[in-house]
Amino acid sequence: NAGVTQTPKFQVLKTGQSMTLQCAQDMNHNSMYWYRQDPGMGLRLIYYSASEGTTDKGEVPNGYNVSRLNKREFSLRLESAAPSQTSVYFCASSEKGGYTFGSGTRLTVV
Amino acid sequence: GENVEQHPSTLSVQEGDSAVIKCTYSDSASNYFPWYKQELGKGPQLIIDIRSNVGEKKDQRIAVTLNKTAKHFSLHITETQPEDSAVYFCAATFGNEKLTFGTGTRLTIIP
Repeated sequence: NAGVTQTPKFQVLKTGQSMTLQCAQDMNHNSMYWYRQDPGMGLRLIYYSASEGTTDKGEVPNGYNVSRLNKREFSLRLESAAPSQTSVYFCASSEKGGYTFGSGTRLTVV
Repeated sequence: GENVEQHPSTLSVQEGDSAVIKCTYSDSASNYFPWYKQELGKGPQLIIDIRSNVGEKKDQRIAVTLNKTAKHFSLHITETQPEDSAVYFCAATFGNEKLTFGTGTRLTIIP
């Protein structure tokens, strides 16, 4: 039982490049989330999806887009990466409150 | 929206002693309060949670207390062990969605 799987685990981008972070869960959860984690700032919500076919902005959505491809998959896209997007990104899924997190993607934008 | 403050940001305790981490929240409607443990290089993992209809919950060496009137909740770890060293996050939400997290506490257990 894999839980929440994120790919890639590490990525280095040049400013202006684009990329998509992938997330998949095998727990049949309805809700999925993307957070970023920066030192001293905890986990901040970028986007979330309460159910298949719906997405909503979180606290820090600027510079990102998301796609809820199906119930299992929720991807995060950076169209034009900026150094301010250097961070660790976590995907999570939930059902009735308890979140299950993936192991994270460490992204560096140079 | 909800705002969660967490203290302290770092905490060192001797092995075997107790550790307490405190959080306050702003939205009186919040009714679900989980705690997560994050080990180095891993994602946060749920360790205990409490809902607003109870004041305390225990799971072996870990307990959480909730004071709805004062809008604060605390994590208590007793008989600390080296494997308790990690970063701990509190969170709050209403209706089981969109958790708002505190900024984290780095707990170090001194052998």
